Amino acid sequence: NAGVMQNPRHLVRRRGQEARLRCSPMKGHSHVYWYRQLPEEGLKFMVYLQKENIIDESGMPKERFSAEFPKEGPSILRIQQVVRGDSAAYFCASSSARGEQFFGPGTRLTVL
Amino acid sequence: GESVGLHLPTLSVQEGDNSIINCAYSNSASDYFIWYKQESGKGPQFIIDIRSNMDKRQGQRVTVLLNKTVKHLSLQIAATQPGDSAVYFCAENGGNQGGKLIFGQGTELSVKP
Repeated sequence: NAGVMQNPRHLVRRRGQEARLRCSPMKGHSHVYWYRQLPEEGLKFMVYLQKENIIDESGMPKERFSAEFPKEGPSILRIQQVVRGDSAAYFCASSSARGEQFFGPGTRLTVL
Repeated sequence: GESVGLHLPTLSVQEGDNSIINCAYSNSASDYFIWYKQESGKGPQFIIDIRSNMDKRQGQRVTVLLNKTVKHLSLQIAATQPGDSAVYFCAENGGNQGGKLIFGQGTELSVKP
């Protein structure tokens, strides 16, 4: 039973490029959460999605960031026109309804 | 605003000793709390959780204590081992059922052999 999968594990982008981060939840989980972690800081909530719906995006920056969780396929966190301040580790978690959140290994984004 | 903070950013203990990691939270609406362990380069790993209708919960070598009066949470690790070395985060749900978690900044636990 595979856990939460994230890819790529490491992503390097130049300023102005787009970054796409993918998350496949655990089997049977329909709730997905995205968190961002800056060096030596705790995780900060970004967005909570269920299949085809955004439930809570209160932690998402107003511009350049978007997330989706389509009926088929992984959840995608998309960052347009990346800036150096976007460099961070991005973690995805999944859960069943009201269940424990299981975290993936993260994607470490570096913006040059 | 909402915040979850830890009293000690670093903690160094001798192998075999007990460790206590503390956490303060400010959101009275929180009714679910979790401790996560994060090793370098990895995602957070669930350790133990507790709901607000409980004061104490025990797992294997770990105990979580919740004091709602002073909004304080602690994680006790018995007979600390080198494999326990990691950063430990407390998290609260802010009253959100099945929704976002609010994380503290973390305490780095270092176990000396």
